[in-house]
Amino acid sequence: QITLKESGPTLVKPTQTLTLTCTFSGFSLTTNGVAVGWIRQPPGKALEWLALIYGDDVKRYSPSLNRRLTITKATSKNQVFLTLTNMDPVDTATYFCALRRHDGSLYYFDYWGQGTLVAVSS
Amino acid sequence: DVVMTQSPLSLSVTPGQPASISCKSSQSLLYTDGKTYLYWYLQKPGQPPQLLIYEASNRISGVPDRLTGSGSGTDFTLKISRVEAEDVGVYYCMQSIDFPLTFGGGTKVEIK
Repeated sequence: QITLKESGPTLVKPTQTLTLTCTFSGFSLTTNGVAVGWIRQPPGKALEWLALIYGDDVKRYSPSLNRRLTITKATSKNQVFLTLTNMDPVDTATYFCALRRHDGSLYYFDYWGQGTLVAVSS
Repeated sequence: DVVMTQSPLSLSVTPGQPASISCKSSQSLLYTDGKTYLYWYLQKPGQPPQLLIYEASNRISGVPDRLTGSGSGTDFTLKISRVEAEDVGVYYCMQSIDFPLTFGGGTKVEIK
């Protein structure tokens, strides 16, 4: 059974750095074609892709947030981390992590965590 | 960036009636491997999105055959042959032909 779960602070102050953890089970980042991504959703708005990390440590970022984002992993602990620096109220959103698999067909984000709502306010 | 444009913004459908959602991309989503990298998700209220269709027209296991993804190149459609109460939510398309991955703005489906 594949599961993902996001964790981290629910409230951060402007200019602070946000660090989120995605803890997963049922798959391994060492499996060929597997990657974990982060997607966010401001309240009442659409989904926005942020970052993706593959098992070989290749990383992809949203260009609009590239300078502020870092995605890393702890493969042996089945965890992926996202840091977003210089937080602003516009970064208030639910942050999701999700699984990308490629085994002949490419399944982008066929499993998602429940999401974690992060508010940015002083 | 590949821009994904969905229409309509919202749909109000009588149960049992069909519904259709359009998704247009600013560039072709057909890759050199012959596959088309377009995905459809449904986000039900208070839940994370769930993948419905991958590679433009393939249903994820468990997705009812009332839902059909079609299209090619830059024009795609998600059709629901007979809308049911469980189909309520916001539908999103997403492309993975190129980074950054981009989503459409969403189409909200409601029951009349």
